[in-house]
Amino acid sequence: DFVMTQSPDSLAVSLGERATINCKSSRSLLYNSNNKNYLAWYQQKPGQPPKLLIYWASTRESGVPDRFSGSGSGTDFTLTISSLQAEDVAVYYCQQYYDTSTFGQGTRLEIK
Amino acid sequence: EVQLEESGGGLVQPGGSLRLSCAASGFTLSNYWMSWVRQAPGKGLEWVANINQDGIEKYYVDSVKGRFTISRDNAKNSLYLQMSSLRAEDTAMYYCARGYSGYVFYDSWGQGTLVTVSS
Repeated sequence: DFVMTQSPDSLAVSLGERATINCKSSRSLLYNSNNKNYLAWYQQKPGQPPKLLIYWASTRESGVPDRFSGSGSGTDFTLTISSLQAEDVAVYYCQQYYDTSTFGQGTRLEIK
Repeated sequence: EVQLEESGGGLVQPGGSLRLSCAASGFTLSNYWMSWVRQAPGKGLEWVANINQDGIEKYYVDSVKGRFTISRDNAKNSLYLQMSSLRAEDTAMYYCARGYSGYVFYDSWGQGTLVTVSS
């Protein structure tokens, strides 16, 4: 089974500053036959379902602002928000889909 | 516009059963993997079950194996989750989610239906 561990659990960043969230998988998410990492990122605001931000570790979903970016490979991944906006306050989750599905525990992002 | 609408949640006693439904519109259901994902109050997301396009392949998280059954009726544009032997720890918002282009990351989600297991 895959275990997905996010860090930190919570994060406070000033408006306009960079926010970085990490996600570590217990096993590699890199599928050698297609050289893709089976890792997605979601944003969830209070009272709403999650929203897909990033898939294949670094591909931005259509309509997602380009201040959101994903990076990493194998077992270590990062979601970066380059310039935090007020509307980015949310909980962020990583998800592996290499073998069924597992979510990280979530990272709560707040304004400092 | 892609829409997913869950229904069937409610209050049920421990050991009871419940059937959740998800009505899909705006896309051809038979082209997509579908999943159920749940979220206990104040907690994180937990994947529950996947089903492939023709309903042959089904996968479950260990904690619900033998108690929950995922199914679909593509002709009725509907996804289902039959839940039995319910426990207090099954209390959660249950979301229906669409897999993206043959994979099981989710580009569309419903608003969820709340299941409460309590005596």
